[in-house]
Amino acid sequence: DGGITQSPKYLFRKEGQNVTLSCEQNLNHDAMYWYRQDPGQGLRLIYYSQIVNDFQKGDIAEGYSVSREKKESFPLTVTSAQKNPTAFYLCASSLDAGGPYNEQFFGPGTRLTVL
Amino acid sequence: AQSVSQHNHHVILSEAASLELGCNYSYGGTVNLFWYVQYPGQHLQLLLKYFSGDPLVKGIKGFEAEFIKSKFSFNLRKPSVQWSDTAEYFCAVNGYNFNKFYFGSGTKLNVKP
Repeated sequence: DGGITQSPKYLFRKEGQNVTLSCEQNLNHDAMYWYRQDPGQGLRLIYYSQIVNDFQKGDIAEGYSVSREKKESFPLTVTSAQKNPTAFYLCASSLDAGGPYNEQFFGPGTRLTVL
Repeated sequence: AQSVSQHNHHVILSEAASLELGCNYSYGGTVNLFWYVQYPGQHLQLLLKYFSGDPLVKGIKGFEAEFIKSKFSFNLRKPSVQWSDTAEYFCAVNGYNFNKFYFGSGTKLNVKP
């Protein structure tokens, strides 16, 4: 059953702690993305990766870090430098990052709450 | 930077009413266009997409959208909504020459039974 998995579904963190959100896909997609979803603001791009061992900052990368050591995995670390980390985080993938006939597939999301 | 505008932030309709949600984008080149839907408690799923060809695109659950290149628009329509259409709808664009997807801010649709 192909798709994108994100874990955990809910995550609680104390202020000052780093936390890593998992994203795995078995769709054999080259490109992966992390978005943050806040009410009334749609989806804002945090980081994206077009290929293994390469990634680029999105529109709101400050306070976040990523790695792409394997094609199927794209973990996101929310660091203590992120001033307002409580949000719903969505991971997505696409066959590649540009060109025709490209569409994104989304995971179920992780809701992060900072206490 | 590219942008996507959804002018209707919150729409309330009665069942059987017709729906049209606006979407405009700013990129002048060749684009792929999408509408995604997020039902309460569920993850984003694709409603329909436009890559090329017929500008009137039909999607799941009776939804359709029309690409009007001259207006940079990709409005979503449904002739008769149901209570089960209550959800948040997002328009998105991806271009041949840029490696990101841009999303609108979303439209929350509440359908009253």
